[in-house]
Amino acid sequence: KQEVTQIPAALSVPEGENLVLNCSFTDSAIYNLQWFRQDPGKGLTSLLLIQSSQREQTSGRLNASLDKSSGRSTLYIAASQPGDSATYLCAAGAGSYQLTFGKGTKLSVIP
Amino acid sequence: KAGVTQTPRYLIKTRGQQVTLSCSPISGHRSVSWYQQTPGQGLQFLFEYFSETQRNKGNFPGRFSGRQFSNSRSEMNVSTLELGDSALYLCASREGDRNNSPLHFGNGTRLTVT
Repeated sequence: KQEVTQIPAALSVPEGENLVLNCSFTDSAIYNLQWFRQDPGKGLTSLLLIQSSQREQTSGRLNASLDKSSGRSTLYIAASQPGDSATYLCAAGAGSYQLTFGKGTKLSVIP
Repeated sequence: KAGVTQTPRYLIKTRGQQVTLSCSPISGHRSVSWYQQTPGQGLQFLFEYFSETQRNKGNFPGRFSGRQFSNSRSEMNVSTLELGDSALYLCASREGDRNNSPLHFGNGTRLTVT
């Protein structure tokens, strides 16, 4: 059974800092790894999707990497802004049409 | 394109009642999934539908059921509500029929059971 862990559960950084969010998964037989952002009371917004054959994906200030052999993914956020404050979730996709989610990292960017 | 639309946004029900939640996927998306989100358990998979067929079901009791219509819209039903069913129910759709395209979520239905 796939288990996804995100550490830390919460993170507070000053504006402008670069930061890394971590995600680990137990079963390396994944199709892809997807990162989401969730604002309070809202649904999830897809940020980046890394296929199992890829090593990383980039979108603007965000860069996500995937290392299947070690069961890890990271989300790098450059030059953080207060608007980046949200909960970030990673999810591992397998062949069963479902995603297994971590419990998220709550990010606060302090002006 | 319009995003994934879920109705209603909020529901308050009492124990023992039943509830139906609705989801309209992004136009052209034929795969619809449902997830339950609670503070303690996080996001848990309920079921996934593609072309009106349930392809996978999570570890939830039979009180939780769903269906998908020919226009890809989906509904989920919870019967004999329990206090522990209070949660944010999220619907998501994807373009392809495999698990290799991004999942797009709606804003959810917040269910409170009293």
